[in-house]
Formats: sequence, C-alpha cells, structure tokens
Amino acid sequence: DVKVTQSSRYLVKRTGEKVFLECVQDMDHENMFWYRQDPGLGLRLIYFSYDVKMKEKGDIPEGYSVSREKKERFSLILESASTNQTSMYLCASTATFNQPQHFGDGTRLSIL
Amino acid sequence: EDQVTQSPEALRLQEGESSSLNCSYTVSGLRGLFWYRQDPGKGPEFLFTLYSAGEEKEKERLKATLTKKESFLHITAPKPEDSATYLCAVQYQAGTALIFGKGTTLSVSS
Repeated sequence: DVKVTQSSRYLVKRTGEKVFLECVQDMDHENMFWYRQDPGLGLRLIYFSYDVKMKEKGDIPEGYSVSREKKERFSLILESASTNQTSMYLCASTATFNQPQHFGDGTRLSIL
Repeated sequence: EDQVTQSPEALRLQEGESSSLNCSYTVSGLRGLFWYRQDPGKGPEFLFTLYSAGEEKEKERLKATLTKKESFLHITAPKPEDSATYLCAVQYQAGTALIFGKGTTLSVSS
C-alpha cells in the first residue's frame, strides 16, 4: 500500500512566522501535490511537483513556496504566515497523472 | 462556474436505505474521474477510477457509474460505518491536476 506521511497532524504558529510542512511518500512516485481544504471551498491545489527540483503553481500559490530536493519528500513553506492561512493542508502523490492520487492524513494548521 | 458539482451537499439515510450521490462535470476531454471517501480529520481515501462512459466499478456496498456528463455513486443497504464525506474529482485531457467537487456528506443512522 502507498503510504504518504505528513510530519505533523496539528500545528499552531504565530503570524509572520516561517512555517514548514513536510510530506514523505514511500512508493517512488514522480508526482507530488499540496492542497488546502476549507469548509465550503473543497480541496484547492497550491503547488505540485512532477520531478525532483521541478514545481508548478496550482490555483492558489500566493503566500506559499515549495521544495523538492529528494524524490520522496515534498515540503510546503509559508514564507510569512497569516491568519487566512489557517486551514487543513493535505499532501498527495501519484505515479502518473491519470492514476489515483494517494493522500496523507493532513496537517491542521492554526495561525494565531 | 464550478466545473465539478456534487449533489446533494448532505444526505441522511436510515441503515438499509439505498441511495445515490451525483457528480456532474462540465469539462471536455475527460481523462479520468475519481471517487474518494474522507472521514473527519483524515485525508481522502481512494475508492474508484472511471475512465470512459459506460464504465462501472463496485466495492462492497458501493457502485460507481460514469456517463458523458456525470457520475453516480450508488450505495446499497448502507451501514453506519459508511458515514463519511464522498469526494469526486476529474482530470482533463489538457491539464494535469485534479479538480475536486466540494463533496457530499453522508450520515447513516441505525
């Protein structure tokens, strides 16, 4: 079974802090994704990566950056956290784009 | 305009009362349609992929079907453990990322 592991289930940070969310997958998948999920808005794509050191912006990249130095690890960075970035963050991976994405259990991030 | 619309937003069923969830999409050039189940506080769990109109997939009490404009997730004789939010996502031919609907929250009471 594919396993996607997100480093924290719950995280509380202050406005203005630089925040790192980490995601690791164990299936040698080429493609990895970061989403945020908010009530009434569903899942929205922030960034994705189709190879090491390669990244593409999703629908809502503003205020975020990403890093993929190794194939199995994809990091989401909040450069200067703001309260409107309080959300559930979900990481996913897939071998090819027309195959199912497999998700981690999410990080619930609160920015105070 | 939403490209993937799920209905109803919420559905309450009695145990054993069969029903269907709908996912309609307005995109052209569908590469795949995906159904997921999400429990509170967890990430989405993959259920089915459908690639072409007329295709059907089944797993226990769930059956997914696909037409050119919509997909249905049929739930036969549901049990309380089927309570969850069910998400539908589509992939375009021209794009790479999935577009998710907002989900249907199903509650099954005994």
